[in-house]
Amino acid sequence: QVQLQESGPGLVKPSQTLSLTCTVSGGSISSGSYYWSWIRQPAGKGLEWIGRIYTSGSTNYNPSLKSRVTISVDTSKNQFSLKLSSVTAADTAVYYCARTVPTYDSNNWFDPWGQGTLVTVSS
Amino acid sequence: QSVLTQPPSVSGAPGQRVTISCTGSSSNIGAGYDVHWYQQLPGTAPKLLIYGNSNRPSGVPDRFSGSKSGTSASLAITGLQAEDEADYYCQSYDSSLSGQGVFGTGTKVTVL
Repeated sequence: QVQLQESGPGLVKPSQTLSLTCTVSGGSISSGSYYWSWIRQPAGKGLEWIGRIYTSGSTNYNPSLKSRVTISVDTSKNQFSLKLSSVTAADTAVYYCARTVPTYDSNNWFDPWGQGTLVTVSS
Repeated sequence: QSVLTQPPSVSGAPGQRVTISCTGSSSNIGAGYDVHWYQQLPGTAPKLLIYGNSNRPSGVPDRFSGSKSGTSASLAITGLQAEDEADYYCQSYDSSLSGQGVFGTGTKVTVL
């Protein structure tokens, strides 16, 4: 079955750009009509959807983060990536990647999820 | 803050039935958008529990069930077990936010 694994630096300095990659295994990132999403969770808090990408490159972003977020896909490597610019301490969180199943009406659900990676923003 | 509101905590004894509510509005659940539910065991990633209001993925016990009515949805756990102690999140779409991943505030289920 499909598995996802996040990777990237665990520590980022304030004002810099956070960069993470999600590697998909057990299936092609291009197969099926799936999107691929990033979701984050600050310690002890709830889940926040960051954005999603289709293998065509089409993206949707959380309006509250849109000005700082870029999600890209590399189908040759079966990977998709997240860049979040101008980070502050408020961006410290566990970041998850997830396969995203779209519905006919713009809704979607997330399954499966990667195990998550903690990113700390600190000097 | 989230547009989907859940009670911070619910608890029950083993074998009991507990329900978790997810209250939205006319721009999300009330507009007809489906609700999905996730279970997050301590220290682990969320796992899909219910999709499309009431559908269970393969491998999810039938002790878990979901429903939707009006501007709210509910997750019920019958025959509560110690292994069900976790955080639970609802999720839907909100047309006013143009957000594909609107999550609820989360509910901690404690097995007494």
